[in-house]
Amino acid sequence: GAGVSQSPSNKVTEKGKDVELRCDPISGHTALYWYRQRLGQGLEFLIYFQGNSAPDKSGLPSDRFSAERTGESVSTLTIQRTQQEDSAVYLCASTYWGGSATNEKLFFGSGTQLSVL
Amino acid sequence: AQSVTQLGSHVSVSEGALVLLRCNYSSSVPPYLFWYVQYPNQGLQLLLKYTSAATLVKGINGFEAEFKKSETSFHLTKPSAHMSDAAEYFCAVSDRGARAGNMLTFGGGTRLMVKP
Repeated sequence: GAGVSQSPSNKVTEKGKDVELRCDPISGHTALYWYRQRLGQGLEFLIYFQGNSAPDKSGLPSDRFSAERTGESVSTLTIQRTQQEDSAVYLCASTYWGGSATNEKLFFGSGTQLSVL
Repeated sequence: AQSVTQLGSHVSVSEGALVLLRCNYSSSVPPYLFWYVQYPNQGLQLLLKYTSAATLVKGINGFEAEFKKSETSFHLTKPSAHMSDAAEYFCAVSDRGARAGNMLTFGGGTRLMVKP
């Protein structure tokens, strides 16, 4: 597709349920990021994938959060046993990073609005 | 470690007035600096970026930002606000020397409101 695609755009779930969020990056982009944006706050880094390297999980807030990426394509962010404080917009971004700092532009999806009741 | 502080979570200007959105950063190495804009119901878009070339950077829609190392600032300006500029603006820093990739640290965002 032309841009980064995220699904679903909105997700309402009950506390304690698991949710899965999907991100389709721009074709050919080697790097993929997940960010979280809580209401009234800035973007919070969650996890970063670059090619076949081990992902940088340093931003994941707890072991209830996990993410996978298949090669350089789709990524899924899974939140287990959701809590109300998980309510936020989850943003995915991708870029091509060819080994030098030549492209610093991230392309963002429109996000998934997660509401935990 | 790197961090970004945006002064003022909300800024209101009149149409035609100067826009000034403040951003200060901290970084242990020379940074890359960015401004992203998020229009209502849309995803984030890159507005402009500083990557160690000219310190005055021009972006889309008439915006520009000046990198001032002595002040550790990267304030965003536009001479004359337009109603369509109403959006949320995020300043971000990348610690370019630290690791592969371009992991960004974002500020808290500033919501710009433009009054007719």
